[in-house]
Amino acid sequence: GAVVSQHPSWVICKSGTSVKIECRSLDFQATTMFWYRQFPKQSLMLMATSNEGSKATYEQGVEKDKFLINHASLTLSTLTVTSAHPEDSSFYICSAGKTGYEQYFGPGTRLTVT
Amino acid sequence: GEDVEQSLFLSVREGDSSVINCTYTDSSSTYLYWYKQEPGAGLQLLTYIFSNMDMKQDQRLTVLLNKKDKHLSLRIADTQTGDSAIYFCAEEGGNQGGKLIFGQGTELSVKP
Repeated sequence: GAVVSQHPSWVICKSGTSVKIECRSLDFQATTMFWYRQFPKQSLMLMATSNEGSKATYEQGVEKDKFLINHASLTLSTLTVTSAHPEDSSFYICSAGKTGYEQYFGPGTRLTVT
Repeated sequence: GEDVEQSLFLSVREGDSSVINCTYTDSSSTYLYWYKQEPGAGLQLLTYIFSNMDMKQDQRLTVLLNKKDKHLSLRIADTQTGDSAIYFCAEEGGNQGGKLIFGQGTELSVKP
């Protein structure tokens, strides 16, 4: 199989605080992981590509100082939303590349900033 | 730039076939994918097709690729109520390092 988990599945935080979301590939090693953001009833927007042992590559318009990505091992990538604001409320989904063409997605994390 | 387009809604009756269409613009796409998303959940990889193939069948799913017209379709035979979900097509462009470009998603509603 190819299972990707995310933790937490949902989180509520106060404006101005930081939130860390974990993405793990449970039964395979992933040198590359991807972070997406999805607004209600909309498609997925790629935020950044995370490579194990190197800096993440951010998509145009995504603030790298606000969305910190760390890919410390072949099975774990984290996304930290710093100084969160209500407009950061969204559904964040990670994916992990198993082979050159298979990408498996986590169940998503719903972030609500109050 | 790359763009992937899908119709937003499709409604079918249980037992009928569903056909979800997708067009893309990047002719260098290596792989094209279909993902399924149920409410509040992540994306489930349904199937994928390599760009040099015309068709791929996997149980109730048939993927057709017309590379000349940059048109991809997903046919679900004998559609069930459990197939109700949002279906995303995605392309992986050549030299994109695995980056996927998604369509807007097609909401499939299956009526009993």
